[in-house]
Amino acid sequence: GAGVSQSPSNKVTEKGKDVELRCDPISGHTALYWYRQRLGQGLEFLIYFQGNSAPDKSGLPSDRFSAERTGESVSTLTIQRTQQEDSAVYLCASSLRQHYGYTFGSGTRLTVV
Amino acid sequence: GDSVTQMEGPVTLSEEAFLTINCTYTATGYPSLFWYVQYPGEGLQLLLKATKADDKGSNKGFEATYRKETTSFHLEKGSVQVSDSAVYFCALTIMDSNYQLIWGAGTKLIIKP
Repeated sequence: GAGVSQSPSNKVTEKGKDVELRCDPISGHTALYWYRQRLGQGLEFLIYFQGNSAPDKSGLPSDRFSAERTGESVSTLTIQRTQQEDSAVYLCASSLRQHYGYTFGSGTRLTVV
Repeated sequence: GDSVTQMEGPVTLSEEAFLTINCTYTATGYPSLFWYVQYPGEGLQLLLKATKADDKGSNKGFEATYRKETTSFHLEKGSVQVSDSAVYFCALTIMDSNYQLIWGAGTKLIIKP
């Protein structure tokens, strides 16, 4: 596609429920990144994919967080047993080459109530 | 380790004023440097970039010059507009590393009419 697409754009969920966030990167972009941005704060790195592999998962806050990528395309970030502190905007970005910079999606705003 | 330091905000200016947002970095390798902008309610957008020393990135009237001797990448604009109100993020990536952008904390810019 023309840009990075994320869905849903907004998600309100009850504490303890599981959520899945989806990212469709730009076609041909081999690198895909997930970030979290809490209100009024900077970006928090979560995980990076090169192709379908995730060389570094160290940014995932807890074992409730997981992510996968298939077909060197779509990625899904799953949060199990959501907590209120998980409320944030989850941003996905993709990149063709590292030094070209990222293209970001519009994000998924997650609210845990 | 690698890091990016930005001037703290908010920065408040009147329309048509000259803007400088300072950004300095530390890097173990040879970085590419970026400025991203986040307008209210929108996702992150790449504003400009520079991939080697003395390069000048420019876009939408904004400029930043990659200064290796001072490890800086300050963002400037000669005459700001109300529509420039946003949060600006400085970031770097190391050319011989694998993936990540290292982010500054962001600087909120407020332009008053």
